[in-house]
Amino acid sequence: TQLLEQSPQFLSIQEGENLTVYCNSSSVFSSLQWYRQEPGEGPVLLVTVVTGGEVKKLKRLTFQFGDARKDSSLHITAAQPGDTGLYLCAGAIAGNNRKLIWGLGTSLAVNP
Amino acid sequence: KAGVTQTPRYLIKTRGQQVTLSCSPISGHRSVSWYQQTPGQGLQFLFEYFSETQRNKGNFPGRFSGRQFSNSRSEMNVSTLELGDSALYLCASSLMGSEGETQYFGPGTRLLVL
Repeated sequence: TQLLEQSPQFLSIQEGENLTVYCNSSSVFSSLQWYRQEPGEGPVLLVTVVTGGEVKKLKRLTFQFGDARKDSSLHITAAQPGDTGLYLCAGAIAGNNRKLIWGLGTSLAVNP
Repeated sequence: KAGVTQTPRYLIKTRGQQVTLSCSPISGHRSVSWYQQTPGQGLQFLFEYFSETQRNKGNFPGRFSGRQFSNSRSEMNVSTLELGDSALYLCASSLMGSEGETQYFGPGTRLLVL
């Protein structure tokens, strides 16, 4: 059962464009993480959000955690080719033995 | 600090064989988790080891097993390989393995079963 839905699944844009990817669930998470994975590498943590309504910024990346802690979004401003990769969200369900629930990811290609 | 290392990086096996993958965590990290990643299923949690003990287990058959040594290095073994076991196997380490704690991933071992 896939508890975390990520959309879109694939995204191909031109350099300089803005984009938003989404991570949705019917479950409540105590925290949610966003990772980026480049080809041939493992995922690298970008941010962890823990408070409903929380907004975190990392340079051109803006992460938002939904008020009910069931969903999250990642907005990238003025995308660059270096942003290309697979963006994964992972949620921790309180009391669920510390296991993370993973989305399938959004594969982003930024064309120069 | 050196990152998480995994060996081998690539592996080709045939059905019915068995395979052992190795993971060396970041120095000082005591928790090691293993994941299977495929395009259709995404990251699937296999198991977590902490201080040489399996602390959590995912929903994989008994053909998948693991262990952790006193130096926190970990191995996972897959016996009687099936075609569907072809995947990227990722190892992640963290200090305590607590909820929401940062996991540091290795580059993975790409296994192809023919």
